[in-house]
Amino acid sequence: KAGVTQTPRYLIKTRGQQVTLSCSPISGHRSVSWYQQTPGQGLQFLFEYFSETQRNKGNFPGRFSGRQFSNSRSEMNVSTLELGDSALYLCASSLQGAYTEAFFGQGTRLTVV
Amino acid sequence: DAKTTQPTSMDCAEGRAANLPCNHSTISGNEYVYWYRQIHSQGPQYIIHGLKNNETNEMASLIITEDRKSSTLILPHATLRDTAVYYCIVRVANQGGSEKLVFGKGTKLTVNP
Repeated sequence: KAGVTQTPRYLIKTRGQQVTLSCSPISGHRSVSWYQQTPGQGLQFLFEYFSETQRNKGNFPGRFSGRQFSNSRSEMNVSTLELGDSALYLCASSLQGAYTEAFFGQGTRLTVV
Repeated sequence: DAKTTQPTSMDCAEGRAANLPCNHSTISGNEYVYWYRQIHSQGPQYIIHGLKNNETNEMASLIITEDRKSSTLILPHATLRDTAVYYCIVRVANQGGSEKLVFGKGTKLTVNP
């Protein structure tokens, strides 16, 4: 069974640009969550999608957004990039969210210069 | 905020058991304890979870105290490949089936030859 796939693995962007990251969950999983990991703040929850609807949202500015498609694939978008957005962005999929194991992808390493 | 407290770092000799403690004194009755590990900026890897009974799988054992205020993850025969940051997480489930993983800073386990 294929795992969670995130693309691209690495990305370099310039301040002010926008970026879109992609996550393909494990087949059959309907919940996709996104996390940001930085050395200073650790792993922080961004948002969760289930059946194309955002069910939960963390404490991030509106520049961070996401969506989920009917095949459960998800994208997250960051607009007007800031240097502080440099981070490892991780996606996790689970069957239905609560009380089901979450499996993480390898992440996308975003560097903003 | 994370609902768990873990030691910052631990060392273990290769071949010996690694016992990683976690305090979660404010855990609620329906909240599970999950353990993940992260090897050098890869995505976190699920290890094991439990509610109140001790659990064992091919990777590890989880011992939860009777009052559920603390737990211990046991890697029975640690290898060099077990060197990682280990996260103990209380999984917070919200209404509607959504959930998020609230990561603390974890324990950096170093397995020495």
